[in-house]
Amino acid sequence: GDSVTQMEGPVTLSEEAFLTINCTYTATGYPSLFWYVQYPGEGLQLLLKATKADDKGSNKGFEATYRKETTSFHLEKGSVQVSDSAVYFCALDTDSWGKLQFGAGTQVVVTP
Amino acid sequence: NAGVTQTPKFRVLKTGQSMTLLCAQDMNHEYMYWYRQDPGMGLRLIHYSVGEGTTAKGEVPDGYNVSRLKKQNFLLGLESAAPSQTSVYFCASRDIVYNEQFFGPGTRLTVL
Repeated sequence: GDSVTQMEGPVTLSEEAFLTINCTYTATGYPSLFWYVQYPGEGLQLLLKATKADDKGSNKGFEATYRKETTSFHLEKGSVQVSDSAVYFCALDTDSWGKLQFGAGTQVVVTP
Repeated sequence: NAGVTQTPKFRVLKTGQSMTLLCAQDMNHEYMYWYRQDPGMGLRLIHYSVGEGTTAKGEVPDGYNVSRLKKQNFLLGLESAAPSQTSVYFCASRDIVYNEQFFGPGTRLTVL
């Protein structure tokens, strides 16, 4: 079946550091790929998405490129802020019903 | 515009008790979902609905029932709660044009 694997956390960084969270997937179809973010005590919010190979999603300084050859969708940000502290989830959907398959989530802690 | 709301925010049940979680959305979305979030496992889909009067099973449906009598509401029921159902439950609705899911703030359920 379809699955998403993302790097374990927590990832602890200093402010202004470079952030990478690895995400790889297995899917039988042609999935859309997503990054969702969950701030403490809140529900998930869509951060960015990509719908086909080589698409780059971007939002709030975060970027991720849909790499079909390596089945990856790594999340990057060049200079993190304390406000980026959250749990980040990689996810995919492979059918028209929008059923999302999530990775386990990666907690990011940014210190001043 | 409240988005997706969930009731209650917290609940403690004893084994064998029943309860209903309510999800409401004001975005006129056809598609709605119930997920559970457990440590280290990301979010897993319990049930979903693609329109008023329809429901379908997700990845982990056992022990839960759902109903979608009105387009704006999606109810999740536990008929006989078990400790294994201790979790945080999230409801979401989907904008099918932009393929984005909007999540509620969650319900933290503890079954003793």
